[in-house]
Amino acid sequence: DVKVTQSSRYLVKRTGEKVFLECVQDMDHENMFWYRQDPGLGLRLIYFSYDVKMKEKGDIPEGYSVSREKKERFSLILESASTNQTSMYLCASRSGTSPSEQYFGPGTRLTVT
Amino acid sequence: RKEVEQDPGPFNVPEGATVAFNCTYSNSASQSFFWYRQDCRKEPKLLMSVYSSGNEDGRFTAQLNRASQYISLLIRDSKLSDSATYLCVVNTNTGGFKTIFGAGTRLFVKA
Repeated sequence: DVKVTQSSRYLVKRTGEKVFLECVQDMDHENMFWYRQDPGLGLRLIYFSYDVKMKEKGDIPEGYSVSREKKERFSLILESASTNQTSMYLCASRSGTSPSEQYFGPGTRLTVT
Repeated sequence: RKEVEQDPGPFNVPEGATVAFNCTYSNSASQSFFWYRQDCRKEPKLLMSVYSSGNEDGRFTAQLNRASQYISLLIRDSKLSDSATYLCVVNTNTGGFKTIFGAGTRLFVKA
């Protein structure tokens, strides 16, 4: 059974703080993704990675960076949190050999005050 | 125009009803299609893939119309537990592989 875990379910940070969101998957998947989900907008891709130390910008990368030092771990970094980054953040992973199902973590609801 | 569009709903139906959702996509080169289900405050999970010939999984039927660029999901004999948001998902591979999620259609099934 694939498992994707995220470091926090709920997080409250102040404007200007540096925020780290961690994601770990246990299925040796090559591809990992970070999305944010907002009402009416659906899931929007922030960054993805198809291999260790590789990263690609998604549709809304501004204000975010990522790190993938190990295959199982993909971190999302908000260098200086702003109120418009208040959102639900979802991490996902997918096997590189099968472009089908993405497996999601439980999500982190981040509030920036 | 959004790349994947869905009616946001909500659809409010009684138990036992049949309900259908449609989803349209803009890229004619899209290759694979899926329906995901997302319960309130939970992560999305794959419900079913959508094949060109149409496919059924119990009470759920998915269909694809490439000519009109839409996919559909039909739920028969709705259960209270079917209440969720249903996300339409499209994979394309033009200029790089990309997965696009619709914003979702909310379904409430009431007793």
